[in-house]
Amino acid sequence: GAVVSQHPSWVICKSGTSVKIECRSLDFQATTMFWYRQFPKQSLMLMATSNEGSKATYEQGVEKDKFLINHASLTLSTLTVTSAHPEDSSFYICSARDQGGGETDTQYFGPGTRLTVL
Amino acid sequence: GQNIDQPTEMTATEGAIVQINCTYQTSGFNGLFWYQQHAGEAPTFLSYNVLDGLEEKGRFSSFLSRSKGYSYLLLKELQMKDSASYLCAVMDSNYQLIWGAGTKLIIKP
Repeated sequence: GAVVSQHPSWVICKSGTSVKIECRSLDFQATTMFWYRQFPKQSLMLMATSNEGSKATYEQGVEKDKFLINHASLTLSTLTVTSAHPEDSSFYICSARDQGGGETDTQYFGPGTRLTVL
Repeated sequence: GQNIDQPTEMTATEGAIVQINCTYQTSGFNGLFWYQQHAGEAPTFLSYNVLDGLEEKGRFSSFLSRSKGYSYLLLKELQMKDSASYLCAVMDSNYQLIWGAGTKLIIKP
């Protein structure tokens, strides 16, 4: 089946620094990718929808200048947490939408990236 | 390799009971999650099992057997709004989520 990867799996950084997280669709092209944030035992909170070649659409309450999203190719979207602070520590999950044609329209999730800001 | 298996699609009748199975093979185990996802929406957390047994939460129950690498989600008194995709995900020894492909549940009147 389709695979979505994220890199890095874990990242620890100092407060004030920026962190980039990559999301790749490995065997399909994804014109749309989604970025989520998850708190323990809670639902995934959609942060933004990333569309290849255009600006991301952010959910209400998500600071677009803090969470920069770039979807430069059909297989890669990046989330950059700028000037990270301890409250940004979380589990970030991406998903990629496979609209492979016909009736196929499935969302595949990545393994997540655990960010700890000291 | 790591993999999660769950049925692609299931159909059930309103008011009935349905069981969605999930089997897994992962490098380590730090818990199993069930999520519900309606089309176009973010997944909603349903349950988290890390110990063997049954956890009941209203109309939804989740069961885990770690020795068998098996879980199921049981939905009772089905309602039309339960029509959705149900995702099984296991957290491995590196605290990474391994996702199943999801089970599309269709509820018929």
